[in-house]
Amino acid sequence: DAGVTQSPTHLIKTRGQQVTLRCSPKSGHDTVSWYQQALGQGPQFIFQYYEEEERQRGNFPDRFSGHQFPNYSSELNVNALLLGDSALYLCASSPGPLNTEAFFGQGTRLTVV
Amino acid sequence: AQSVSQHNHHVILSEAASLELGCNYSYGGTVNLFWYVQYPGQHLQLLLKYFSGDPLVKGIKGFEAEFIKSKFSFNLRKPSVQWSDTAEYFCAVIRPGGLFSGGYNKLIFGAGTRLAVHP
Repeated sequence: DAGVTQSPTHLIKTRGQQVTLRCSPKSGHDTVSWYQQALGQGPQFIFQYYEEEERQRGNFPDRFSGHQFPNYSSELNVNALLLGDSALYLCASSPGPLNTEAFFGQGTRLTVV
Repeated sequence: AQSVSQHNHHVILSEAASLELGCNYSYGGTVNLFWYVQYPGQHLQLLLKYFSGDPLVKGIKGFEAEFIKSKFSFNLRKPSVQWSDTAEYFCAVIRPGGLFSGGYNKLIFGAGTRLAVHP
């Protein structure tokens, strides 16, 4: 049973560019949340997708957007990259938006230069 | 603002020493509490969780945590650590909500505690 898978594992982008990160949830899970983990900090909630809609959002600018597909996989898009966007981006899935047990992927390490 | 505080950023112990990592949260009312662990090069894994009932919760790998409501705390403990416990530990909180109350669940994490266990 595959867990949460994220791609790519590492990415280097230039300031001002756009990036798309991908996540496939654990089998049987229909809810995907995204987190940003800066160096030396805990994960910060970006947003959550359920039934292909953004259901809740953290304190992140509109440059951060997402999408959920009918197969429950999800994308995180970041436009106009800033140096401060360099971080580990984590995807977590759960069997329903009210389920409190999240399973995490290994993350995508984004470096903005 | 809603927050989770972890008191120690770095902890260094020798094998067989006892461990206690502090965690405090700033919400009133009902909360769900978690400890996650991140071993080097691996994904975040759930160690244990508290929803209700017995405030002393046992998790995997010999870890336990105690919920003290009056102190807004959920400290993680292990009587005797091993070298393989070297990892980063995160405390996290959810305030349960409902679909129609706008309270979709989101985990709020502390900054983490990096534990190094020396043989």
